[in-house]
Amino acid sequence: EAQVTQNPRYLITVTGKKLTVTCSQNMNHEYMSWYRQDPGLGLRQIYYSMNVEVTDKGDVPEGYKVSRKEKRNFPLILESPSPNQTSLYFCASSPRGGFNSYEQYFGPGTRLTVT
Amino acid sequence: AQKVTQAQTEISVVEKEDVTLDCVYETRDTTYYLFWYKQPPSGELVFLIRRNSFDEQNEISGRYSWNFQKSTSSFNFTITASQVVDSAVYFCALRGTNFGNEKLTFGTGTRLTIIP
Repeated sequence: EAQVTQNPRYLITVTGKKLTVTCSQNMNHEYMSWYRQDPGLGLRQIYYSMNVEVTDKGDVPEGYKVSRKEKRNFPLILESPSPNQTSLYFCASSPRGGFNSYEQYFGPGTRLTVT
Repeated sequence: AQKVTQAQTEISVVEKEDVTLDCVYETRDTTYYLFWYKQPPSGELVFLIRRNSFDEQNEISGRYSWNFQKSTSSFNFTITASQVVDSAVYFCALRGTNFGNEKLTFGTGTRLTIIP
């Protein structure tokens, strides 16, 4: 089954404690990205990756890091989480170019609370 | 820069009424894609429809219909004979095709409540 998986689905942590949210897709997609969703703001892109070892900032990258060492994985790293990073996070993937480049697949979301 | 505006923050209607959710977008790309997603209380994003910029035909899927008007940069969504299960947050989104515009740009969402 074609899917994007995220782990964990729920996480409560404390300020300053490093954490990683994993994202994996099994569709051989080149393009992957992370979004955060906040009330009244919709979803905003944090980081994206065009392919392995190619990443770039989205609209709200401060406080986050990513890496793309393998095509299927795109982890989101919070080196020193703060309460303003409490949010619902979505990972997404899609092909690049070609007829199907519009296809978007979203993970189930990770609800993060930083106290 | 791309932008999507959903001016209606919250809408409440009585069950069986029709309701239209508005979406206005801005982009400089000549080729782009428009989407609607539903987010039920459980939190996941449910894909509803995709439209490309060259296809202005309106689409109907059961009780759902979409009106794409390039002249007014709008992509409105109508639910006919609404049901309680339609209660959710609905997002309109835009994806460009030029380099740097491949992300999805979302509107701020419209929270729809169907009153039994």
